[in-house]
Amino acid sequence: GAGVSQSPSNKVTEKGKDVELRCDPISGHTALYWYRQSLGQGLEFLIYFQGNSAPDKSGLPSDRFSAERTGGSVSTLTIQRTQQEDSAVYLCASSLGSPRETQYFGPGTRLLVL
Amino acid sequence: RKEVEQDPGPFNVPEGATVAFNCTYSNSASQSFFWYRQDCRKEPKLLMSVYSSGNEDGRFTAQLNRASQYISLLIRDSKLSDSATYLCVVNRGWGSGTYKYIFGTGTRLKVLA
Repeated sequence: GAGVSQSPSNKVTEKGKDVELRCDPISGHTALYWYRQSLGQGLEFLIYFQGNSAPDKSGLPSDRFSAERTGGSVSTLTIQRTQQEDSAVYLCASSLGSPRETQYFGPGTRLLVL
Repeated sequence: RKEVEQDPGPFNVPEGATVAFNCTYSNSASQSFFWYRQDCRKEPKLLMSVYSSGNEDGRFTAQLNRASQYISLLIRDSKLSDSATYLCVVNRGWGSGTYKYIFGTGTRLKVLA
């Protein structure tokens, strides 16, 4: 079946512009995560959606970052007024939401802010 | 202190060697445990789950020590293709019956010809 998909795969933008990154989780997965990974670094947790619960936004680095998950499926991560330090790979992952379930990652969106 | 800690490495080992990684976690309420593998410029992918009794998958053996709160991964007869970053992952209760994955920063392995 289809895995987690993300779009765009690459995004180049100018400093100060807003960007939207999209994630389509695996159908039926109730849990959805966004992570950020800078070159050569580990995964940085950003935000977590689980079913109808309030999202865990504790990883968002600033108020320029926000995310939505509409209808419990597709999610959009928005970065306003992008800065050069926002350049990274943004990874989305989904899972069935129970503790023993595997988390599946999308291929990521490579964001470059000039 | 990070909730999941790993030695970042790199571990440089010759082909055919046995190599072991450890990972420690601080939250005793952690429910389940995994090792993921991440190749350069690729997304992480599940390598294996870690069960309380320990489990083996071919050349890979994972063990869990709940008392000491650490997880280990042993790779025998290492291959060049094993070169990657190995991520330790813990899943714990977050609240309201939900769960959350916590990733370590990864251990980098380079297998040398």
